[in-house]
Amino acid sequence: NAGVTQTPKFQVLKTGQSMTLQCAQDMNHEYMSWYRQDPGMGLRLIHYSVGAGITDQGEVPNGYNVSRSTTEDFPLRLLSAAPSQTSVYFCASSYDRKNYGYTFGSGTRLTVV
Amino acid sequence: DAKTTQPTSMDCAEGRAANLPCNHSTISGNEYVYWYRQIHSQGPQYIIHGLKNNETNEMASLIITEDRKSSTLILPHATLRDTAVYYCIVYNNDMRFGAGTRLTVKP
Repeated sequence: NAGVTQTPKFQVLKTGQSMTLQCAQDMNHEYMSWYRQDPGMGLRLIHYSVGAGITDQGEVPNGYNVSRSTTEDFPLRLLSAAPSQTSVYFCASSYDRKNYGYTFGSGTRLTVV
Repeated sequence: DAKTTQPTSMDCAEGRAANLPCNHSTISGNEYVYWYRQIHSQGPQYIIHGLKNNETNEMASLIITEDRKSSTLILPHATLRDTAVYYCIVYNNDMRFGAGTRLTVKP
């Protein structure tokens, strides 16, 4: 099992550009989520999904879109990158939302200039 | 949402038990307590969780007080590799991470 795989590991964008952060898991987990972590701070939930075809917003959803067409994949799209979106992005997955611990990916370090 | 309070930082000697406290005085009866850790800039790692009873796994033990208003994560024999930020989370629909406790294990 590869666990949770995030690509790319590093990315530099110019303000206004769009891009997609990829997240894939091979554990047949129903629940997947995206967090961002700003320097020296805890993680904040962006979007989450409880299964294929179902997504919902977290704490800080503005400027991001998600979709869940398969159980394995949960991409995060930045529509028009802003310097405030400079952060480390983590994807997580779990068997379900409440009763199991989350498995996290290794993160994508995004800089918007 | 039930909030948690953790010390900002703690030190522990290598080989000794590390006891990390967490206060969650507003916890509701059906809310789980979760612990994660984050080593340097890696993704968080799940450690353990519990509802009412004490729990133990290969990584740690979780002691929850009878009134459930506080808990303690115990790493029985801390090593240098246990140096990390430890997050105590009360689960209520979302896994929300606060600032955590920065544990430094010293030789």
